[in-house]
Amino acid sequence: KNQVEQSPQSLIILEGKNCTLQCNYTVSPFSNLRWYKQDTGRGPVSLTIMTFSENTKSNGRYTATLDADTKQSSLHITASQLSDSASYICVVRDTSGTYKYIFGTGTRLKVLA
Amino acid sequence: DGGITQSPKYLFRKEGQNVTLSCEQNLNHDAMYWYRQDPGQGLRLIYYSQIVNDFQKGDIAEGYSVSREKKESFPLTVTSAQKNPTAFYLCASSSQQSKSYNEQFFGPGTRLTVL
Repeated sequence: KNQVEQSPQSLIILEGKNCTLQCNYTVSPFSNLRWYKQDTGRGPVSLTIMTFSENTKSNGRYTATLDADTKQSSLHITASQLSDSASYICVVRDTSGTYKYIFGTGTRLKVLA
Repeated sequence: DGGITQSPKYLFRKEGQNVTLSCEQNLNHDAMYWYRQDPGQGLRLIYYSQIVNDFQKGDIAEGYSVSREKKESFPLTVTSAQKNPTAFYLCASSSQQSKSYNEQFFGPGTRLTVL
């Protein structure tokens, strides 16, 4: 069964600190992996999209990495801000169907002052 | 939230009632999607539509119905047959569903509560 698992489930860090969120997937074959940020009660907003041939993609203080061999991705947040408090969702799109986006359950990040 | 709007933001329904959630996009996207989000679970696909007047069931379509009469609109009806409808509902759209790299844009969501 195609799955996307994220860890940790929740994380609390102090403002200004760095953190790394993990995403492991079993989806195969897949075409791309995405990271979304979802504020409470809002829709997800895309942070990065990487194809299977890309190793890293940055968007400001957010840097995503992908290891297609080990089927692992990470999202690194540098110099965290209070506004980074949100859920971060990893999504993998498989190529066995034309519509399948496989969503992880997310990591809930809380940044404290 | 891009150019996708959902209404209402909060919706309360009595058991046995049908309710319709609105989703409109002005991005000229061909594909539209409805997802359900429950605490501790990933988004689950209810229905999707690639073009006007065409739609397909997702993983959890039972108790739901949709229509796609216009490119801009993809309303979702939660029927009384849906046994556990309380959830956060998200609508999304993308330029061409068949292209693998296309980005999904999400609406702000509708929180449905059954009283």
